[in-house]
Amino acid sequence: AQKITQTQPGMFVQEKEAVTLDCTYDTSDPSYGLFWYKQPSSGEMIFLIYQGSYDQQNATEGRYSLNFQKARKSANLVISASQLGDSAMYFCAKNGADRGSTLGRLYFGRGTQLTVWP
Amino acid sequence: DARVTQTPRHKVTEMGQEVTMRCQPILGHNTVFWYRQTMMQGLELLAYFRNRAPLDDSGMPKDRFSAEMPDATLATLKIQPSEPRDSAVYFCASGPYATGDGYTFGSGTRLTVV
Repeated sequence: AQKITQTQPGMFVQEKEAVTLDCTYDTSDPSYGLFWYKQPSSGEMIFLIYQGSYDQQNATEGRYSLNFQKARKSANLVISASQLGDSAMYFCAKNGADRGSTLGRLYFGRGTQLTVWP
Repeated sequence: DARVTQTPRHKVTEMGQEVTMRCQPILGHNTVFWYRQTMMQGLELLAYFRNRAPLDDSGMPKDRFSAEMPDATLATLKIQPSEPRDSAVYFCASGPYATGDGYTFGSGTRLTVV
């Protein structure tokens, strides 16, 4: 099984500050994708950002950026200018190789609960 | 925005009863997943389909769970008979064949078996 590790069960950040959520992974796949999802208290899973393993540049999406270090097998999520609405559980995920497809099943970490305080 | 639609949103049932959860994937998405989320186990893959064909259902208790895609617009997950340990949130997700756009999750079905 492929292991996704999120070492921070909980993180706290003050509004308007930046925060980094850590994610490391195990893989021997030659090609893969890394994903971050947000799960607010309402329960839905919201896709935030994607990084392909062969992408030369780190992915960015608005206030979200992904600090991808392939050799270290890490894909940390950086949220800039935190907002109260960013308080949620954040999951890192990686897709597995699947019969030549780059879109196999997702393996999830256990998540990091982010709390943004005023 | 296109959505993955799951029904019902909530289900409370008695142990031993049959439970059927339904999912309508986004039109054009050919990969459909069923995940289960619990506090203890986190997000676990139960089964997934590509072009309606089952690719992996190794995460599913075969004696009581079954997953099908009778057509491209409907995926079902059935539990028979249900047990209290099946209480969880069940998510359906869909995605296109090769993309960096991520998978889209439904709102989930919160199942409580008493």
